[in-house]
Amino acid sequence: EAQVTQNPRYLITVTGKKLTVTCSQNMNHEYMSWYRQDPGLGLRQIYYSMNVEVTDKGDVPEGYKVSRKEKRNFPLILESPSPNQTSLYFCASTRDRRSLPYGYTFGSGTRLTVV
Amino acid sequence: QQPVQSPQAVILREGEDAVINCSSSKALYSVHWYRQKHGEAPVFLMILLKGGEQKGHEKISASFNEKKQQSSLYLTASQLSYSGTYFCGTDRAVGGGADGLTFGKGTHLIIQP
Repeated sequence: EAQVTQNPRYLITVTGKKLTVTCSQNMNHEYMSWYRQDPGLGLRQIYYSMNVEVTDKGDVPEGYKVSRKEKRNFPLILESPSPNQTSLYFCASTRDRRSLPYGYTFGSGTRLTVV
Repeated sequence: QQPVQSPQAVILREGEDAVINCSSSKALYSVHWYRQKHGEAPVFLMILLKGGEQKGHEKISASFNEKKQQSSLYLTASQLSYSGTYFCGTDRAVGGGADGLTFGKGTHLIIQP
């Protein structure tokens, strides 16, 4: 089944303790991105990657890091989480959009709470 | 800049029609529409391209007015399964490209029996 897999689904952590949220897709998509969703604000892009070793900042990148060493994986790293990063996070992927836009496939989400 | 969606919320009876609007302050290359049910991931409904035609998906269709930089989503004879939050997404870069979408804040649609 074609899908984007995120882990974990739920995570409670303490301020300052480094964490990684994993994202993997099995559709051979070139493009992957991370979004956070907060009540009343909708989905906001954190980082995106157009291909292996090519990443760039989205609209709200502060406090986050990403890497794209393999085409299928795009982990989100919070090196020193703070309470304002408590949110619902989604990973999404799509085919190369430079030639023709395609819809995004989203993962199931990771609900992160930082206390 | 986020596209602006209206209305913020709609409550309908089953069988009624709904229109959700999405407006942008910049020129649009493509507009995406997604539906998200509570506690689930957004699901892609359709994409409209600049210069393209109106598209449809069962009883859900959409239009794209390039001059007005607007898109509208039409839900005809709504069903209970249509309940959820609808998001429009527009290209972050003018002219399209690969640097992702900016989403509106969403429209909450509640269908009552």
